[in-house]
Amino acid sequence: GAGVSQSPSNKVTEKGKDVELRCDPISGHTALYWYRQSLGQGLEFLIYFQGNSAPDKSGLPSDRFSAERTGGSVSTLTIQRTQQEDSAVYLCASSLDLSPQFFGPGTRLTVL
Amino acid sequence: RKEVEQDPGPFNVPEGATVAFNCTYSNSASQSFFWYRQDCRKEPKLLMSVYSSGNEDGRFTAQLNRASQYISLLIRDSKLSDSATYLCVVLGGTDTGRRALTFGSGTRLQVQP
Repeated sequence: GAGVSQSPSNKVTEKGKDVELRCDPISGHTALYWYRQSLGQGLEFLIYFQGNSAPDKSGLPSDRFSAERTGGSVSTLTIQRTQQEDSAVYLCASSLDLSPQFFGPGTRLTVL
Repeated sequence: RKEVEQDPGPFNVPEGATVAFNCTYSNSASQSFFWYRQDCRKEPKLLMSVYSSGNEDGRFTAQLNRASQYISLLIRDSKLSDSATYLCVVLGGTDTGRRALTFGSGTRLQVQP
């Protein structure tokens, strides 16, 4: 079956522009997560959606970051007024409750 | 103190060697534990869950000691293809109660011919 997919795979943008990153979770998975990984660093939790509950936004680094999950499926992570320190790989993962998470291939964001 | 701590390595071992990685976690309320593997410039992939009774999957053995808040991964008969970064991962138990995974920074393994 299909795994988690993300688009675009690579995004190069100029400082100050807005970007949108998309995640399609595994069908039937109720939980969806966004992480980011800077070069040579560990994974940093950003935001978590579970069913119809209010998302856990505790990992978002600033108010320039936001995410939505429409219809309990696809999610979009938006970064406004991008900064060079936003450059990283943004990873999406999905899971059934209490189960391990499965990751998408990530979107590599480069802010010039 | 980090929530999940690992020795970053690298561990350089010859093919066929046995190698062990350790990990400690800070929150005793943590609920589930996993080892993930991450290849260079790839996403993390689940290697195995870790159960209190210990569990084995082929050449890989994982153990959990809740009293010491300690997780281990043992790889026997190392293969070149085992070269990767191994991430110790803990679910839940944070102050917010959130169900996101907390990742260790990973231990890099390089198996040499």
